[in-house]
Amino acid sequence: DVKVTQSSRYLVKRTGEKVFLECVQDMDHENMFWYRQDPGLGLRLIYFSYDVKMKEKGDIPEGYSVSREKKERFSLILESASTNQTSMYLCASSVSEGGRYEQYFGPGTRLTVT
Amino acid sequence: AQRVTQPEKLLSVFKGAPVELKCNYSYSGSPELFWYVQYSRQRLQLLLRHISRESIKGFTADLNKGETSFHLKKPFAQEEDSAMYYCALEGGSEKLVFGKGTKLTVNP
Repeated sequence: DVKVTQSSRYLVKRTGEKVFLECVQDMDHENMFWYRQDPGLGLRLIYFSYDVKMKEKGDIPEGYSVSREKKERFSLILESASTNQTSMYLCASSVSEGGRYEQYFGPGTRLTVT
Repeated sequence: AQRVTQPEKLLSVFKGAPVELKCNYSYSGSPELFWYVQYSRQRLQLLLRHISRESIKGFTADLNKGETSFHLKKPFAQEEDSAMYYCALEGGSEKLVFGKGTKLTVNP
């Protein structure tokens, strides 16, 4: 059973703070993702990593950076948190085997920036 | 460009009624289409994929390439079907493009 875990379920930070969101997967997946989920906007891709130290910007990378030093861990960094980054953040990893593709999601981190 | 459209933000039906969640996509090639579901306080999870052509929890979805649609259907809705549903497309990039989601409420 694939497990994607996120370091915090709830997080409250102040404007201007540096924020780290951690994600770990235990299935040796190459690809990992960070999304933000907002009502009415669905899931929007922030960053994507297809290998260690490799990353690609998603649809809304502004204000975010990522780090992938180990295959199982993918971190999302908010350099200087702002109130418009208050959201639910979802991490995912993916696999494609025998032509079948699937993304597996973590439980999410609800971040509030005050 | 790859795009997924779910025209209904909210859908409310009574228990036992049929339900259809609409999904249309825009993609020039042959996409792989999925429905993901998120129950209250649970993580997002795969419900079904078009290539499997299977029924999961009574739900089915048929890919209609002519209409570029992948609507999710269930003949008799149950209260436990209340959830957020997302349609998604994978177009060879190993990434998913999601629709904005439809919140389904099944009333008793």
